[in-house]
Amino acid sequence: AQSVTQLDSQVPVFEEAPVELRCNYSSSVSVYLFWYVQYPNQGLQLLLKYLSGSTLVKGINGFEAEFNKSQTSFHLRKPSVHISDTAEYFCAVSGFTGNQFYFGTGTSLTVIP
Amino acid sequence: DVKVTQSSRYLVKRTGEKVFLECVQDMDHENMFWYRQDPGLGLRLIYFSYDVKMKEKGDIPEGYSVSREKKERFSLILESASTNQTSMYLCASSPPGQGRDSYEQYFGPGTRLTVT
Repeated sequence: AQSVTQLDSQVPVFEEAPVELRCNYSSSVSVYLFWYVQYPNQGLQLLLKYLSGSTLVKGINGFEAEFNKSQTSFHLRKPSVHISDTAEYFCAVSGFTGNQFYFGTGTSLTVIP
Repeated sequence: DVKVTQSSRYLVKRTGEKVFLECVQDMDHENMFWYRQDPGLGLRLIYFSYDVKMKEKGDIPEGYSVSREKKERFSLILESASTNQTSMYLCASSPPGQGRDSYEQYFGPGTRLTVT
């Protein structure tokens, strides 16, 4: 079985500063990894995904994430945040052996002007 | 663009009422999912369906049932609503994978249900 841990429930950051949202997973099998974003009063939107290949994945809105198999991590980064990045961010894992699709508990990113 | 729509954005129901939440997707996806989202708990899977008339229990199916009579529509039913079912309900769909696995899930805007 898989599980996902998002280490920070809330992350405040000043506008134009860099940000890293942390995600660790546990799994006994190989996995696919995802980051989703949820803006206020909206559903979830895919930011980026890792299926295979390069461990550095680029997504929409200037976000990127790095898959680190030895540390079982998939941290999300952005070099310079904007006010419009204020949202809830969810890390998710899916196993490709027929196992389950799990979400973390979310990280609330607040960008301060 | 994939579109997943949910019948209501906000819903208020009384304890004991039967509640129907509807979800429709327009991308001919095989898989459809119902989650509930609560602060500090993230998304928890209630039920999913990988084909018409097929359904599988997720992590928290108690108090819920589902119906999938057509490929594009997946309904969540609260047989007798209770206050602890007050939550945000999110529907998602995805192209075929292996059971719950999928490369990506596409979400609707959510229904915020309040049971009083």
